[in-house]
Amino acid sequence: QVQLQESGPGLVKPSQTLSLTCTVSGGSITTGGYYWSWIRQPPGKGLEWIGHIYHNDDAFSNPSLETRVTILMDRSKNNFSLRLYTVTAADTAVYFCSRVSGGPYSGRFDPWGQGTLVTVSS
Amino acid sequence: QSVLTQPPSVSGAPGQKVTISCTGSTSNIGADYDFHWYQQLPGTAPRLLIYDNNNRPSGVPDRFSGSKSGTSATLAITGLRAEDEADYYCQSHDGTFRVVIFGGGTKLTVL
Repeated sequence: QVQLQESGPGLVKPSQTLSLTCTVSGGSITTGGYYWSWIRQPPGKGLEWIGHIYHNDDAFSNPSLETRVTILMDRSKNNFSLRLYTVTAADTAVYFCSRVSGGPYSGRFDPWGQGTLVTVSS
Repeated sequence: QSVLTQPPSVSGAPGQKVTISCTGSTSNIGADYDFHWYQQLPGTAPRLLIYDNNNRPSGVPDRFSGSKSGTSATLAITGLRAEDEADYYCQSHDGTFRVVIFGGGTKLTVL
């Protein structure tokens, strides 16, 4: 059974870079047919897709964030990472990682990591 | 403001049936892209509830079902139980912007 776990700093200063890692267990991120994704949820608000990466390194990002987002894969550690540049308070959110089955835009998210709260504040 | 519109809240008594709508457009649900539903209990990560319009993952009770009509999707919950109290989100694909989209979420209260 695949499980995902987010890790990274819980506090980031404005204008700096948010960096998170999602470690996958119970399955390989190099298995074809799955995208590995990041989603966020500001406190008290809904879900927003950030982007995902495929096993061949093809990456897909939300157009609203794509100029500030990098998603990378580390096959040796079986994890993938998110970098969000030049953050502001509006980037404060719980960040989730997930596995996507199906197409890059119409696929379903399952399973999910437990999420990690990142606060942007000086 | 989400491209997929859900009612902010719905409620029902134990044992009753409730439905949650997810209204889209011809560029998403109406374009025959698959849609999915998630349940998020307080303080937890979302959980896949319905996938590919009307399929349930293993472990999801058959009290939950999905359907579609035109540009709208609907989640139905029958035999409402206290543990169903949660936020529910729909998700699809918007072909105009090539983006994964979520509805704004609906809070279900079991009276």
